[in-house]
Amino acid sequence: GAVVSQHPSWVICKSGTSVKIECRSLDFQATTMFWYRQFPKQSLMLMATSNEGSKATYEQGVEKDKFLINHASLTLSTLTVTSAHPEDSSFYICSARDHSGRSYNEQFFGPGTRLTVL
Amino acid sequence: AQSVTQLDSQVPVFEEAPVELRCNYSSSVSVYLFWYVQYPNQGLQLLLKYLSGSTLVESINGFEAEFNKSQTSFHLRKPSVHISDTAEYFCAVSVGSGGYQKVTFGTGTKLQVIP
Repeated sequence: GAVVSQHPSWVICKSGTSVKIECRSLDFQATTMFWYRQFPKQSLMLMATSNEGSKATYEQGVEKDKFLINHASLTLSTLTVTSAHPEDSSFYICSARDHSGRSYNEQFFGPGTRLTVL
Repeated sequence: AQSVTQLDSQVPVFEEAPVELRCNYSSSVSVYLFWYVQYPNQGLQLLLKYLSGSTLVESINGFEAEFNKSQTSFHLRKPSVHISDTAEYFCAVSVGSGGYQKVTFGTGTKLQVIP
């Protein structure tokens, strides 16, 4: 149980295009999902916290117009990188919190999406 | 605000030798502590966690970590490592409860097991 999936697992796009990444909780409801970015050989940096049915909370320094987050249902959050540029190339990882009480304080991570912008 | 320090960026160790990966945290409130493992080009997998109760927590694959409040540490140990343990390990701290809970990660320690 507590599986989180991401789609796509990798994507290559041209500079200036937009890319959408999906994060799904497969067997639990996640009212809160998190989006992280990981640069090569570095730790995860929290980009934003996504709450179902409300606007995402972005961390300082993260452009909300650049990284659009939508959390329209209890099992799906999407991250759209708009007008992507080579510097946006990174490994994007989402996580979801299980609010059922089974693992209240634990976040379950997706497998990540590697974005390469040419 | 909380913070996590992993002093060792890389730890090489011979197979079947013991290993300790260090983690220290800073927080003004009670914390929850985690160790995650990341294999190349994959997401994070939870290795073990401390929420409350016994300060010594164990994983199913032989790792253990001990929460030491006075030293604000949560070091990860394994008495005998295997080649398959080669990966990057992240210590993380979480504070808060209810609607918003932020997890802060350390910079990671790359464990390289040498045959």
